[in-house]
Amino acid sequence: SAVISQKPSRDICQRGTSLTIQCQVDSQVTMMFWYRQQPGQSLTLIATANQGSEATYESGFVIDKFPISRPNLTFSTLTVSNMSPEDSSIYLCSVGVADTQYFGPGTRLTVL
Amino acid sequence: EDKVVQSPLSLVVHEGDTVTLNCSYEVTNFRSLLWYKQEKKAPTFLFMLTSSGIEKKSGRLSSILDKKELFSILNITATQTGDSAVYLCAVLPFGNEKLTFGTGTRLTIIP
Repeated sequence: SAVISQKPSRDICQRGTSLTIQCQVDSQVTMMFWYRQQPGQSLTLIATANQGSEATYESGFVIDKFPISRPNLTFSTLTVSNMSPEDSSIYLCSVGVADTQYFGPGTRLTVL
Repeated sequence: EDKVVQSPLSLVVHEGDTVTLNCSYEVTNFRSLLWYKQEKKAPTFLFMLTSSGIEKKSGRLSSILDKKELFSILNITATQTGDSAVYLCAVLPFGNEKLTFGTGTRLTIIP
């Protein structure tokens, strides 16, 4: 398995601002992912964070809105830019290990 | 496009009851099926299934996969209030690492 930490745990932000979420893993992993879970919904993949190259974004998500960094094999950040109330969600990072994915504790973001 | 359907969407039972949660899927190049429990924010890993007919068991929870009929079930026996959560099913294909999640089953256990 993998032990994953995320910061911040939660935040309340004003519209138009940006928030950077950090994800730290206790071991080196090739695959790291960022998900969003809007209220009452299931998880939606935002992007795959690739070490040493640009992230791969899913349909409906763009780099300008959700820039991602992956400076090494244990760390990644997701920025939610120019936030609006529609960005209020839980943001989760996950890592792939063997045939499984493990999730971090999540960041609950509220945009006013 | 990969697809995962869970049923029922919600379930309310009394403490001590046994419940069965269902997950059916359509996926190209099936690799594994995963069950998670989500109480507040983070999905907690429960089981990973790759082979048909082999039951995975952890305490009062068990799960099995049928790759011919493309479904899995999650059983919880002697339910407790701490079992109240959303249970998520997801499939992982070969060729990429993209999980496709179902909408989840919200389980509520009444004392």
